[in-house]
Amino acid sequence: KNEVEQSPQNLTAQEGEFITINCSYSVGISALHWLQQHPGGGIVSLFMLSSGKKKHGRLIATINIQEKHSSLHITASHPRDSAVYICAVTLTGTASKLTFGTGTRLQVTL
Amino acid sequence: DAGVIQSPRHEVTEMGQEVTLRCKPISGHDYLFWYRQTMMRGLELLIYFNNNVPIDDSGMPEDRFSAKMPNASFSTLKIQPSEPRDSAVYFCASSPSGRYYNEQFFGPGTRLTVL
Repeated sequence: KNEVEQSPQNLTAQEGEFITINCSYSVGISALHWLQQHPGGGIVSLFMLSSGKKKHGRLIATINIQEKHSSLHITASHPRDSAVYICAVTLTGTASKLTFGTGTRLQVTL
Repeated sequence: DAGVIQSPRHEVTEMGQEVTLRCKPISGHDYLFWYRQTMMRGLELLIYFNNNVPIDDSGMPEDRFSAKMPNASFSTLKIQPSEPRDSAVYFCASSPSGRYYNEQFFGPGTRLTVL
């Protein structure tokens, strides 16, 4: 079993829909990261969080430490949000070393 | 700042050849990471450095892979000899110190094809 599990693996949505991507982990962590990888391949860090909730524009990330679960929400989705979203965790005691989920491929259509 | 710089962006080589990938981290960042991404295995950490010193190389697949960081502004990942199964996208990332964990900034990647 992977230490970091994401769901769904693939997601198709229509423009304007509210989107949720889930991430569960089975180990102790110092922080959880959400990354975005566009079709061109570049990887961008969206959020890094260890508790609570963060918001940036139309993106919201939440984490529940007790339940070992995080969600990434996209409000009013747009075709430019189409990308692979990757959850990664910094394992406790591993100082900056990331362990990755397998990613969620999102396609937003008009 | 130009961000993390990687070269080359694309590399096509024949099995058995030596391949060297290069990375320039963001100035002032103390951590440097090398990752490999494949369809089958996703993103995997190969090795990371702190202040130019290798900290964890447990992800390096085998002795054919080696990485160096001779100074704070340059790192190389070398594969010798290369094999077709090494075909992947190799990413370099850097992050600042000052906290136990930090946001990482990724380079554009090097797409390696070994024929």
